[in-house]
Amino acid sequence: AQTVTQSQPEMSVQEAETVTLSCTYDTSESDYYLFWYKQPPSRQMILVIRQEAYKQQNATENRFSVNFQKAAKSFSLKISDSQLGDAAMYFCAYMNSGGYQKVTFGIGTKLQVIP
Amino acid sequence: ETGVTQTPRHLVMGMTNKKSLKCEQHLGHNAMYWYKQSAKKPLELMFVYNFKEQTENNSVPSRFSPECPNSSHLFLHLHTLQPEDSALYLCASSLGRVYNEQFFGPGTRLTVL
Repeated sequence: AQTVTQSQPEMSVQEAETVTLSCTYDTSESDYYLFWYKQPPSRQMILVIRQEAYKQQNATENRFSVNFQKAAKSFSLKISDSQLGDAAMYFCAYMNSGGYQKVTFGIGTKLQVIP
Repeated sequence: ETGVTQTPRHLVMGMTNKKSLKCEQHLGHNAMYWYKQSAKKPLELMFVYNFKEQTENNSVPSRFSPECPNSSHLFLHLHTLQPEDSALYLCASSLGRVYNEQFFGPGTRLTVL
């Protein structure tokens, strides 16, 4: 079974600074998807960024980018120019390419943004 | 309304009660999901429905009974729950069986006394 590990229960970052959230995963598959989801306090979970394992290029969405290291099974999220609205729980998640929507989540990292 | 909605947002029930959670998606999706979110634990997939058919039951106890009358509505019927079932229950939807982004509802905060 696949597992997703987020080793940082909480992180903090100064507004306008850069922060990196860590995620590692375990799988024997070669083709899969990885995601970062954001869950603000009392608000709905939304997808931040996704990465297809067959793509070597790291995904980027505005201030959010990932560092995907397939051999190391590592998938970190970098948030640049942090904003107060970035404060949230961040979940790393994994899905096999043929997994029919079975997504495995990590336990999350709580990000605090300091003004 | 837009997106994925869930009602009620908060529910307190006794162990002998019967209640239902409702989820509705206004996105034209054909797959719907129930997840359980507990503190300090990963999000747990409970059920998956595709075109109203259940395609995944992740070893969920029978005291949780899902119902999907159509692609837009999903229910979770609850009966004889235990205090450890207290959690945030999230509904999500997506388009298609292969990967597409899952859109989540705000959740129902369930407390079992």
